[in-house]
Amino acid sequence: AQKVTQAQTEISVVEKEDVTLDCVYETRDTTYYLFWYKQPPSGELVFLIRRNSFDEQNEISGRYSWNFQKSTSSFNFTITASQVVDSAVYFCALKINNNDMRFGAGTRLTVKP
Amino acid sequence: SQTIHQWPATLVQPVGSPLSLECTVEGTSNPNLYWYRQAAGRGLQLLFYSVGIGQISSEVPQNLSASRPQDRQFILSSKKLLLSDSGFYLCAWSTGTGGRNSPLHFGNGTRLTVT
Repeated sequence: AQKVTQAQTEISVVEKEDVTLDCVYETRDTTYYLFWYKQPPSGELVFLIRRNSFDEQNEISGRYSWNFQKSTSSFNFTITASQVVDSAVYFCALKINNNDMRFGAGTRLTVKP
Repeated sequence: SQTIHQWPATLVQPVGSPLSLECTVEGTSNPNLYWYRQAAGRGLQLLFYSVGIGQISSEVPQNLSASRPQDRQFILSSKKLLLSDSGFYLCAWSTGTGGRNSPLHFGNGTRLTVT
């Protein structure tokens, strides 16, 4: 079965704290892609990053970083020095074929000033 | 650059009324198109996807239907809305030839309230 689990329903931090959003996935496929999306209060989903199953190299983009570990089937997302504008719902997603993207339930992040 | 338009942004409809949500994509040809629904406080559920004109695949049995009359137009419809149809509906597109690595690009969504 293909499944994405985001165990953290809501996280609240104070500005400038680091925060990690967890994502665990399940799939029997050896080739797949993982994604993170941000959904700000306005509602649209914004694509953040894509990672394929053969590339376990961690990635950093500004204050964002992603840790992909196949051994634990995890693709965690860390925001360093969080800001109020980071407040949003974050979704992790798994794609195994062209038309099947499975989303986790999302983690609502609130960054307080 | 590619853009996706979805309307209306909000909609309040009585139970039993019809529904029509429209989505159009610009700047790309032969995209894959998707309709997702997001219930309050929950994740995204894939409702329909389309790989070409007139080609619709349904993921969840329900009283909704989808149509793709033109290459870059995707319509979500219902003949009679139910209370359970309330939610946030998102249209998305991806590159038709991109394969599994193609991200989905979402519209701004339609918040539907059935009263």
